[in-house]
Amino acid sequence: DGGITQSPKYLFRKEGQNVTLSCEQNLNHDAMYWYRQDPGQGLRLIYYSQIVNDFQKGDIAEGYSVSREKKESFPLTVTSAQKNPTAFYLCASTPDSYNEQFFGPGTRLTVL
Amino acid sequence: GDSVTQMEGPVTLSEEAFLTINCTYTATGYPSLFWYVQYPGEGLQLLLKATKADDKGSNKGFEATYRKETTSFHLEKGSVQVSDSAVYFCARPMEYGNKLVFGAGTILRVKS
Repeated sequence: DGGITQSPKYLFRKEGQNVTLSCEQNLNHDAMYWYRQDPGQGLRLIYYSQIVNDFQKGDIAEGYSVSREKKESFPLTVTSAQKNPTAFYLCASTPDSYNEQFFGPGTRLTVL
Repeated sequence: GDSVTQMEGPVTLSEEAFLTINCTYTATGYPSLFWYVQYPGEGLQLLLKATKADDKGSNKGFEATYRKETTSFHLEKGSVQVSDSAVYFCARPMEYGNKLVFGAGTILRVKS
């Protein structure tokens, strides 16, 4: 089955620790995205990548970092510099940035 | 610039009621338009799309027609069910691609 996987579904971390969220796709899509969603809110773009070894900042990149070493994978690191990291994180991909994106199931990060 | 505006929620309806969620967009061209649905605790799923003016997208009893005269893409369903309770997002690609622009999302609550 083709799709996007995010792991883990729930993640708990202590304040001040870096944490990495996984996003993998087997759809052969070139472009991948990370969004943040706060309770009752819409989506905010953190980072995106249109090709391997290249990525761009979105609207709220501060306190986050990414890498794109393989086409299938686009991990997101939430660093200790992110002031309010508790949120729902969504990964998406698309073969063509003028068309729809396909979303993973999300990771809910809680910082204690 | 590129924008998508959705009606504010929450929208609360009784089962079998008629649903309309308004969506308007700004554009100099004719971008593809999308409706996504997000069930509680899950990622976004593409509900329907339209790629050119006067196209009608439909899925699971939901419909939306691409109206260039009014720059609108309103979501409708003739008879909602409790299982339709979710958050609905209208979206379009940015003028020069790369990203999607999302509306703020509309919460739909259907009571039995």
